[in-house]
Amino acid sequence: KAGVTQTPRYLIKTRGQQVTLSCSPISGHRSVSWYQQTPGQGLQFLFEYFSETQRNKGNFPGRFSGRQFSNSRSEMNVSTLELGDSALYLCASRYLAGRGTEAFFGQGTRLTVV
Amino acid sequence: GQQLNQSPQSMFIQEGEDVSMNCTSSSIFNTWLWYKQDPGEGPVLLIALYKAGELTSNGRLTAQFGITRKDSFLNISASIPSDVGIYFCAGQSNTDKLIFGTGTRLQVFP
Repeated sequence: KAGVTQTPRYLIKTRGQQVTLSCSPISGHRSVSWYQQTPGQGLQFLFEYFSETQRNKGNFPGRFSGRQFSNSRSEMNVSTLELGDSALYLCASRYLAGRGTEAFFGQGTRLTVV
Repeated sequence: GQQLNQSPQSMFIQEGEDVSMNCTSSSIFNTWLWYKQDPGEGPVLLIALYKAGELTSNGRLTAQFGITRKDSFLNISASIPSDVGIYFCAGQSNTDKLIFGTGTRLQVFP
């Protein structure tokens, strides 16, 4: 069974540009959550999607947005990039039924804003 | 955003020593999860706990779901160099929301 796949692994963007990151969850998982991790920081929750609907949202500005497709794949978009957006962006998928609360993470996308 | 209190924040230990870390919350959780993250990688699930008082082992790792449902503990016995990384706890509330701890950074010296 394939794990969570995030693309791309590494990305370098210029301040002011926008970026789209992709996450393919484990087959059968309908929940996808996104997290931002900066050096020395924990996992800052961005948002969670379930069945194409955003069900939870963290405290990030509106420049951070996401969506989920009917096949459960999710994308995260950051517009008007700032230097402080440089981080490891992680997505995690969950089944969300029975004991399906366990979240499985992808390897992350390392975004560098210059 | 909301995060769980995890302690200690960092640990520097010698190979062979045992390690203990814990996670506390002001809220009750239904599930506790423990993850390990290697540098530049995504966290990997180590242990899942579903019932208050539950004690579960995975090799040299043992985790417990506190009986108050507001805390959890992770122990690593006889640490080895590859135990180095950041350990995160996560608690799931009755709304299915998963909340992560602030992380414990473990460094093991030979």
